[in-house]
Amino acid sequence: DSGVTQTPKHLITATGQRVTLRCSPRSGDLSVYWYQQSLDQGLQFLIQYYNGEERAKGNILERFSAQQFPDLHSELNLSSLELGDSALYFCASSGTSGGAGYEQFFGPGTRLTVL
Amino acid sequence: GQSLEQPSEVTAVEGAIVQINCTYQTSGFYGLSWYQQHDGGAPTFLSYNALDGLEETGRFSSFLSRSDSYGYLLLQELQMKDSASYFCAVRTNQAGTALIFGKGTTLSVSS
Repeated sequence: DSGVTQTPKHLITATGQRVTLRCSPRSGDLSVYWYQQSLDQGLQFLIQYYNGEERAKGNILERFSAQQFPDLHSELNLSSLELGDSALYFCASSGTSGGAGYEQFFGPGTRLTVL
Repeated sequence: GQSLEQPSEVTAVEGAIVQINCTYQTSGFYGLSWYQQHDGGAPTFLSYNALDGLEETGRFSSFLSRSDSYGYLLLQELQMKDSASYFCAVRTNQAGTALIFGKGTTLSVSS
C-alpha cells in the first residue's frame, strides 16, 4: 500500500459525458501527478500540482483539467469524453518538488471505460 | 522532444540474470528511474540514478551512463514473481519533477 488513494476504482460512462477522478496523496506529500496509461501510449504524464499550484503540464488535452485543493487532495476532470479516453488513470505523489523527491508513490488507479 | 527506447519483451528462466536496456533523448536531464508494474497494478519504484555508475539494491541493480544517454536495470536470481512490466523514466527540467516514461518491457520468467 503506497498511501495514495484514488476513487473510484472503476468508472464506466458514455461518450460526451464528464467525469471527475479523485486522488489523496500520501500524508505530507505536496506534489501530486496525474498519469494516463493506455495500451498503445504507455504511461503518459498529464499534469503536476505542488501545494495547490500547477507546476508542470504534459500531454494533457484541453478537455481535461485538474486542481489541487488546500487539503492537498486533487481532482482530474475529464469532459466531452471520447472512446480513446478509455484508460487507466494514475495519481502519484512525492515528498518535495526539489531534487530529493525522486521517488513517486502511485495510487491503485482509476480504470475509465468510455462506451 | 523527449524519447526513451527499451525492448518490448524479454523472457528468462528462474535463477537467471536479465538486463533491460534503456536509451533516452532528452534535454535538461536530471536522472533515470526504474519502476515495476504487475498486471493491473500500480507502478512501484525500484531505483534512481542521477550520477554515472551502478546502484545496487538487493537482487536489482541499475546503471547509468550520462555521456551515452543510456541505462540498464539488472535483475539477478530471477523469480517467478519478477514477471512484470519494467519502465525506465527520466526526470528532466522540461516537466517539473514529473516522470517521462518509456513504453515498458514485459519480462516473463518461466520455471
